[in-house]
Amino acid sequence: KQEVTQIPAALSVPEGENLVLNCSFTDSAIYNLQWFRQDPGKGLTSLLLIQSSQREQTSGRLNASLDKSSGRSTLYIAASQPGDSATYLCAVSRNTDKLIFGTGTRLQVFP
Amino acid sequence: NAGVTQTPKFRILKIGQSMTLQCTQDMNHNYMYWYRQDPGMGLKLIYYSVGAGITDKGEVPNGYNVSRSTTEDFPLRLELAAPSQTSVYFCASRTRRVLSGNTIYFGEGSWLTVV
Repeated sequence: KQEVTQIPAALSVPEGENLVLNCSFTDSAIYNLQWFRQDPGKGLTSLLLIQSSQREQTSGRLNASLDKSSGRSTLYIAASQPGDSATYLCAVSRNTDKLIFGTGTRLQVFP
Repeated sequence: NAGVTQTPKFRILKIGQSMTLQCTQDMNHNYMYWYRQDPGMGLKLIYYSVGAGITDKGEVPNGYNVSRSTTEDFPLRLELAAPSQTSVYFCASRTRRVLSGNTIYFGEGSWLTVV
């Protein structure tokens, strides 16, 4: 059974810091991995999607990497801002139908 | 663009009551999902559908039912509400086209409390 773990569970950093969020999964036979952002009281917004054949994806200050063989992904946020404060979730899919989510990392960026 | 719309936003139910959470999407997506999110946890898949007339169970289907009579709508039914069903429920949809990157769109959630 696929299990997805995210470390740390919570993170508080000063504005301007570069930071790394970690995601690990137990079954390397994945189709893709996605990173999501969830603001309090809101739904999830897809940030980055990495296909199993890819190593990384970038969008603005965000960079996500994927090491399928070791069952790990990282989300790198450059020059963090208070507006980045949210919960970040990763999710993997084994086929095209279903996503298995991690428990998330709650990020707070303070001025 | 409306995207994925869920109603109601908040609801309090008594044990044993029934209700339906509504979900509709206007993006002509084939794939639709219902997830629940308990405090401090990730999302767990309840049911999903790959097209009108087709539904399948996810990780935690017990106590719920779904139907998919149209492409747009995917209601979630709770027949006999139990305190364990207190949670936040999210509906989501996705196009079938793999080349689109499988971007999934979520509704804003429905907060359900069973007392």
